[in-house]
Amino acid sequence: NAGVTQTPKFQVLKTGQSMTLQCAQDMNHEYMSWYRQDPGMGLRLIHYSVGAGITDQGEVPNGYNVSRSTTEDFPLRLLSAAPSQTSVYFCASSFTVSEKLFFGSGTQLSVL
Amino acid sequence: QKEVEQDPGPLSVPEGAIVSLNCTYSNSAFQYFMWYRQYSRKGPELLMYTYSSGNKEDGRFTAQVDKSSKYISLFIRDSQPSDSATYLCAMSGETSGSRLTFGEGTQLTVNP
Repeated sequence: NAGVTQTPKFQVLKTGQSMTLQCAQDMNHEYMSWYRQDPGMGLRLIHYSVGAGITDQGEVPNGYNVSRSTTEDFPLRLLSAAPSQTSVYFCASSFTVSEKLFFGSGTQLSVL
Repeated sequence: QKEVEQDPGPLSVPEGAIVSLNCTYSNSAFQYFMWYRQYSRKGPELLMYTYSSGNKEDGRFTAQVDKSSKYISLFIRDSQPSDSATYLCAMSGETSGSRLTFGEGTQLTVNP
């Protein structure tokens, strides 16, 4: 049982480039979410999904796009990378909205 | 002002010490209170989960919630070097479910 899998683990981008962070879970969880973790700021919610075809914005959604075509996958797209998006990104999932979250191991992103 | 305040530390204690970690919050709607443990370069993992006020004990760990003071604590008894990690408090309201608001995290080192 792999749990929540994130790829890549590390990524360096140039300003203006786009990329997709992948997240997959094999626990049949309905709820999935993306957080970013920055020093002094803790974890902040970017986007979340309560099921396939349903997504919504979190606290810091600007510059990011998501879609949920399947229960298993919840990719995060950076449309035009900016240095302010340098961060560690975590994907998380739970069986329902009110259940406890399981986190992936993170993607460390640097935007130059 | 942040909704959840947590002293980032770092906190360094000798093996066997009792550790006290704390968070304060301002949102009276928070009902679910959690503590996550995060090892270096890993995703957070759920350590303790409490609903509303009261105490919860799990082995060497005790979580306390005082909603009247908007204050939560995590106590670690007989601390071990393997407890060295960053501890994050997190909380959510009845309607926000897994949309957690995190504290900044406290970095703990337990010295042998």
